[in-house]
Amino acid sequence: EVQLVQSGAEVKKPGESLRISCQGSGNSFANYWISWVRQKPGEGLEWMGRIGLSDSYTNYSPSFQGHVTISADKSIHTAYLQWSSLKASDSGMYFCTKQVTIFGVVKSWFDPWGQGTLVTVSS
Amino acid sequence: EIVMTQSPATLSVSPGERATLSCRASQSVSSELAWYQQRPGQAPRLLIYGASTRATGIPPRFSGSGSGTDFTLTISSLQSEDFAIYYCQQYNIWWTFGQGTKLEIK
Repeated sequence: EVQLVQSGAEVKKPGESLRISCQGSGNSFANYWISWVRQKPGEGLEWMGRIGLSDSYTNYSPSFQGHVTISADKSIHTAYLQWSSLKASDSGMYFCTKQVTIFGVVKSWFDPWGQGTLVTVSS
Repeated sequence: EIVMTQSPATLSVSPGERATLSCRASQSVSSELAWYQQRPGQAPRLLIYGASTRATGIPPRFSGSGSGTDFTLTISSLQSEDFAIYYCQQYNIWWTFGQGTKLEIK
């Protein structure tokens, strides 16, 4: 069974940098596509972007392109979401999730999800 | 960007009754639609993919229907653990979610 475990909650000041992580377990992790999804307090879900762990190829939502960087280290089955200069508006819960793979074929729906990382940006 | 619109925003239903949640896409997404459940303080959980296929371990009281632009999630007999927020998601062109329907106890 695949599991995604995210790093712990973070409290940062505006202008600081941050990298949060999502580590996976299970077979054939190198074939995984990991997406990041933001949820602001009391709001819905927003797809931010994704990375293929085999080659670190990335795609970003236009809403997040240039504001965050998604990276990965396939040797440790881990994907990252990074900010170089945080803003208060970046506060929220961030989930990683994986595109389902069935018999080695990557599908487009998401399962499982990590437990979420709460990011609070406040002066 | 494909915009997903869910209705109603909040649905009040008694335990044991049926709940019907709607999701509409701004353009056709064929059957490339999923439903997720999110309980308070938890991550979303996949319920339905391909508009109507239940994910592994999802009980048969959950069913999905629709294609094109109009979709429905039906929960046939509500259990206490079903009161949560439900999101639809299209994966026809990248990914976008609806704003969610909160299912609350009447």
